[in-house]
Amino acid sequence: AQRVTQPEKLLSVFKGAPVELKCNYSYSGSPELFWYVQYSRQRLQLLLRHISRESIKGFTADLNKGETSFHLKKPFAQEEDSAMYYCALSPHAGGTSYGKLTFGQGTILTVHP
Amino acid sequence: DAGVTQSPTHLIKTRGQQVTLRCSPKSGHDTVSWYQQALGQGPQFIFQYYEEEERQRGNFPDRFSGHQFPNYSSELNVNALLLGDSALYLCASSFLPGTGGARAYGYTFGSGTRLTVV
Repeated sequence: AQRVTQPEKLLSVFKGAPVELKCNYSYSGSPELFWYVQYSRQRLQLLLRHISRESIKGFTADLNKGETSFHLKKPFAQEEDSAMYYCALSPHAGGTSYGKLTFGQGTILTVHP
Repeated sequence: DAGVTQSPTHLIKTRGQQVTLRCSPKSGHDTVSWYQQALGQGPQFIFQYYEEEERQRGNFPDRFSGHQFPNYSSELNVNALLLGDSALYLCASSFLPGTGGARAYGYTFGSGTRLTVV
């Protein structure tokens, strides 16, 4: 079974401050990890995925298999980063992902001016 | 590209009734997954359709069923509605790489159908 835990329901920071949204997972195999974001009144959208190792809107996330974590980080938060953030896991086996996403409960990030 | 389209956007049903929700995937996508998102929770996987067949299923009762059509669009049916079925139902589409060691990437989500059971 797989599980994704986002320990913080709410996170508040001031503009320009660093931000880290925590995500821990449990899965016996080799997972694919994703961060999804939902801005106010918008649909859920992919922010980044660990296999691409890219930086989107200044956010990065590193998969730490030893700690089973995939924390999302940004060195300088902006007001437009205020949103709901979901960490998600997809099983991966034999080169073909099964595709089912398991989501955490989400973290509401508020960036104050 | 309209992305993933879901209809209707809102729906109110009475306990015991049946409901059908519809989803049109993003152009080029052939796999459709359905998720239930209760208030304050993350989305929960219901099932996934590929090549008109249910490929995976989450921990949902048989009251939840689906269908995928040749044009890749999909329906989610829920029978004998319970108050606890009230939620936002999300459809997500992708392509499912099946060969060559390719991996499924992120999904494109629709805006959802808000179902209220009274």
